[in-house]
Amino acid sequence: GQQLNQSPQSMFIQEGEDVSMNCTSSSIFNTWLWYKQDPGEGPVLLIALYKAGELTSNGRLTAQFGITRKDSFLNISASIPSDVGIYFCAGQLGTGTASKLTFGTGTRLQVTL
Amino acid sequence: DAGVTQSPTHLIKTRGQQVTLRCSPKSGHDTVSWYQQALGQGPQFIFQYYEEEERQRGNFPDRFSGHQFPNYSSELNVNALLLGDSALYLCASSRDRFQYTGELFFGEGSRLTVL
Repeated sequence: GQQLNQSPQSMFIQEGEDVSMNCTSSSIFNTWLWYKQDPGEGPVLLIALYKAGELTSNGRLTAQFGITRKDSFLNISASIPSDVGIYFCAGQLGTGTASKLTFGTGTRLQVTL
Repeated sequence: DAGVTQSPTHLIKTRGQQVTLRCSPKSGHDTVSWYQQALGQGPQFIFQYYEEEERQRGNFPDRFSGHQFPNYSSELNVNALLLGDSALYLCASSRDRFQYTGELFFGEGSRLTVL
């Protein structure tokens, strides 16, 4: 099945640094979402974006819905050790009964002290 | 308020066997979706149940089937297991009226190993 392309695949950063990751798709989505998955857990929603060009923040997290509706970006400022985990983007077409989510391949974040 | 609960958490099966996984949605939720997450990959949509009917289906063979009960809980059944079915199976619940918000609440998953 289709998976969205995320980059980077993994990153090691130092505590306090800012992090940027992105997600691209070959098709358009009407909703973009970012989820985080910790080891042994299911994904948890971080941010949802509903309009092309929209910039949304949730604490230290900021995400943008690309103007072409084929990409999205997530930034984490001043990283802390609990930011460790796998970050997944997800797109939703959101028309008719098409409410399923298409997930990306994930970006694994590791934070060193 | 209990979140999404799944059982069993881990199980091992052999090729050709059948497996049933169970999910109880978060309180107040009426829609259940199932996702398969292979190692190192993102979750892949299997199907979604609402009002005890399969409403959407992803690109999975008929060996994968499901059911939703009147109390909104759900089962995922996989027949004739293949080695490639080894994965974490995630159940996600939501409220139908919010189906276009993309907000899903996931359980911790059932880790299936097929030998």
